[in-house]
Amino acid sequence: SQKIEQNSEALNIQEGKTATLTCNYTNYSPAYLQWYRQDPGRGPVFLLLIRENEKEKRKERLKVTFDTTLKQSLFHITASQPADSATYLCALPTDAGNNRKLIWGLGTSLAVNP
Amino acid sequence: GAGVSQTPSNKVTEKGKYVELRCDPISGHTALYWYRQSLGQGPEFLIYFQGTGAADDSGLPNDRFFAVRPEGSVSTLKIQRTERGDSAVYLCASSLSVMETQYFGPGTRLLVL
Repeated sequence: SQKIEQNSEALNIQEGKTATLTCNYTNYSPAYLQWYRQDPGRGPVFLLLIRENEKEKRKERLKVTFDTTLKQSLFHITASQPADSATYLCALPTDAGNNRKLIWGLGTSLAVNP
Repeated sequence: GAGVSQTPSNKVTEKGKYVELRCDPISGHTALYWYRQSLGQGPEFLIYFQGTGAADDSGLPNDRFFAVRPEGSVSTLKIQRTERGDSAVYLCASSLSVMETQYFGPGTRLLVL
C-alpha cells in the first residue's frame, strides 16, 4: 500500500529565506497530491493541489513541484515570514483508482525566526 | 459563510463510556469526512459520506465506532465502550463534492481516562 514520508525533523529558517519541505511516496504515482497547513489546535487548511501531469504549481509565495520519477513533491515558501510557522502536511489518494480516500504524512514543523 | 464546526471542542470521559461527537459541515457540501489525529501524526481516515450514505467506512477501527448523517448535513460520530487508546483529536471535513477541496473543522479533543 502507499506510504508517505515527510521530514520528521523540524525545519528552522531565518525570515526572508526560502523554506523547502519534502514529501516522498513509496508506491504508485497518485493522480494528485495536496499540501495543507496545520496550526496548533486547528484543523488542516488546504493550500495547493498538484496533478500528476503538472510539474509545478504556484500560488503567491508558495510553489509545489511533482516529480513522478523521483516519487517526490517539494513545497517551497519564498520570502518566508514568522507567520508561516506551522506544520505542513502532504496528502494523496490511498490507492490507485480511489481518489476519495486520502492518506497523510506525519507533517513537517516549520519555524521561521525573525 | 460559516466554516465547519464541531462540538464539543473537548470531551473527557471514562473508559467504557459512550460518546457522541458532532460535525456541522459547510452548507451545501455533500461530502463529509471523519478523521482521527494523534499527537505528532497526520490525520487518519475513518469514514466518508456522500449525502446520507456512508460511501466508505473502511477506516473505522472496529465495531465500537459508528457514524451517521441522517439528513445529509450534520453528522455524528459515535464511540461505544471507549478505551484509552481512543484518545485523539477527531477531525471532520466537508467538500462540495468528492474530489473537491476538503475544509476542516477545529476538531474535538477526546480524552478517555
